[in-house]
Amino acid sequence: NAGVTQTPKFQVLKTGQSMTLQCAQDMNHNSMYWYRQDPGMGLRLIYYSASEGTTDKGEVPNGYNVSRLNKREFSLRLESAAPSQTSVYFCAIGRRGGTDTQYFGPGTRLTVL
Amino acid sequence: GDSVTQMEGPVTLSEEAFLTINCTYTATGYPSLFWYVQYPGEGLQLLLKATKADDKGSNKGFEATYRKETTSFHLEKGSVQVSDSAVYFCALSLLLSGSARQLTFGSGTQLTVLP
Repeated sequence: NAGVTQTPKFQVLKTGQSMTLQCAQDMNHNSMYWYRQDPGMGLRLIYYSASEGTTDKGEVPNGYNVSRLNKREFSLRLESAAPSQTSVYFCAIGRRGGTDTQYFGPGTRLTVL
Repeated sequence: GDSVTQMEGPVTLSEEAFLTINCTYTATGYPSLFWYVQYPGEGLQLLLKATKADDKGSNKGFEATYRKETTSFHLEKGSVQVSDSAVYFCALSLLLSGSARQLTFGSGTQLTVLP
């Protein structure tokens, strides 16, 4: 039971390149989230998916797109990476309509040169 | 909008010292409150939570009480250990569309415990 897994763990991109961050869960939770963590700013919500088939923008969605592939998987895509997207990205899951607790993956450290 | 303000770090303590990390919040309604901990190179782990006023969350010797009158959720531990060295985040939960929930985080407090 791995909980929440993320791939890759590390990535270096050049400005303008694209990439997709993958997140998968085995806890059968309905809601999935993407956050970014920047120094001194805590975590900020990028996009979320309340349930399979739905996605919505969070606090900082510009420059990102998401896909809820099925109940288990939620991917985050950077179409044209910019240095401002250098960050650590965390996927999280939660129960829809239930307890507020969210469970986090180990993160992806992304550097855009 | 809703927000969380927590004590800035870094905080350095000796082993067995008393720990307090202050956290206050601004919110409409009555959010749930959380403390998450992040060890180096890892994701965030839930440390404790409280869902309504006067609730006390506790785990691993850490405690925090949801104080509506002071809009606070301060984290305390009576005797810290070297293994408690980590970054601690206070957070509140907001309801989004579709019954999803957003966590709004404070900026984090780095704790270092020296032997």
